[in-house]
Amino acid sequence: DAGVIQSPRHEVTEMGQEVTLRCKPISGHDYLFWYRQTMMRGLELLIYFNNNVPIDDSGMPEDRFSAKMPNASFSTLKIQPSEPRDSAVYFCATSGLSYEQYFGPGTRLTVT
Amino acid sequence: AQSVTQLDSQVPVFEEAPVELRCNYSSSVSVYLFWYVQYPNQGLQLLLKYLSGSTLVKGINGFEAEFNKSQTSFHLRKPSVHISDTAEYFCAVSDPVGGGKLIFGQGTELSVKP
Repeated sequence: DAGVIQSPRHEVTEMGQEVTLRCKPISGHDYLFWYRQTMMRGLELLIYFNNNVPIDDSGMPEDRFSAKMPNASFSTLKIQPSEPRDSAVYFCATSGLSYEQYFGPGTRLTVT
Repeated sequence: AQSVTQLDSQVPVFEEAPVELRCNYSSSVSVYLFWYVQYPNQGLQLLLKYLSGSTLVKGINGFEAEFNKSQTSFHLRKPSVHISDTAEYFCAVSDPVGGGKLIFGQGTELSVKP
């Protein structure tokens, strides 16, 4: 298996633009997690899904953030409109029956 | 609510010296425990995990950790570190209510000097 795949790896955009981050989970994994990592706040859980259904989105900062999982092979995290304070590394992670999470390489987002 | 405390934000150590990274958790129920490592500009990678059984858990790259239920600790150790062990290390605990969710500590930056 290729592991968790995230795209793009780097994204630079201007304030106010829409940003879409993508994640392809490991085949067979039922859980998918979106995290954000910054120097100031560390690693934060934004939202997670179980069997494509959002379970807990309490970590989503505000309405500008939305996440979807239309099928077991794909998830997106969207920011609209983006702001400079959204600059961070965004990770997608997936897990199966055990709690062991497998992380993707991350998307480094810079909003200018 | 569960929480994880990593007692040291930074740990500098010389090459070939032993190291211990400390982790304490709070939980009223049985938990699963994990240590992850993050190398610069990479995602997190699982080092080791405790689910049940022996309280001494061995992981990759020569690391091990001991689960101590009475002290609610899960400290990570390595008898002799290498320059390549320089990274950020995260302790995590399962959230039994959260189904699959992990609670992460704030991380410990291990810096190995020659």
